Amino acid sequence: AQSVAQPEDQVNVAEGNPLTVKCTYSVSGNPYLFWYVQYPNRGLQFLLKYITGDNLVKGSYGFEAEFNKSQTSFHLKKPSALVSDSALYFCAVRAPNSGGYQIVTFGTGTKLQVIP
Amino acid sequence: DGGITQSPKYLFRKEGQNVTLSCEQNLNHDAMYWYRQDPGQGLRLIYYSQIVNDFQKGDIAEGYSVSREKKESFPLTVTSAQKNPTAFYLCASSGRYDEQYFGPGTRLTVT
Repeated sequence: AQSVAQPEDQVNVAEGNPLTVKCTYSVSGNPYLFWYVQYPNRGLQFLLKYITGDNLVKGSYGFEAEFNKSQTSFHLKKPSALVSDSALYFCAVRAPNSGGYQIVTFGTGTKLQVIP
Repeated sequence: DGGITQSPKYLFRKEGQNVTLSCEQNLNHDAMYWYRQDPGQGLRLIYYSQIVNDFQKGDIAEGYSVSREKKESFPLTVTSAQKNPTAFYLCASSGRYDEQYFGPGTRLTVT
């Protein structure tokens, strides 16, 4: 069974400082990893994904994430936080495709609060 | 929210009534999903469909039903058997290897 852990319910960071939102995963085989963002009372928006290749993945709105196979982690990062980045962030994992669609497992989410 | 629409945005029902949530996509995606979101619990999968006229139960299918008669549509019915139906419901779709695209959600309140 696959699983995702987001160990922090909330992360607070000052505007202009770098931010990190942590994610670790467990899956058999090489994972497909995703980050999504959710603003209040809205659906989730895709930020970035890792399938294969370069361990540093760049995504929307200046976000990036680093895949670390040895630590089974996929932390989300941004060099300089904006107040508008304040939202709920979800990490998700999917097992390698085996011929059909694979189900994505989502973490419980981390609330990011950027303080002006 | 891409090419996925959910309606209505807010829905109020009395206990004991069935209610159907709409989900339509124009992304030509084969797969569609229904999730339930409760505070502090992330997303939980209710049902998913990989192809028309076929669907599979997710982790919390009890008290829910779906149909997939058209590629574009995947309605969810919350039946009176669902013991705690008040929640935020999210529909999503995806291609075979791609990320999921989510609708704006429907907030259901049952009193």
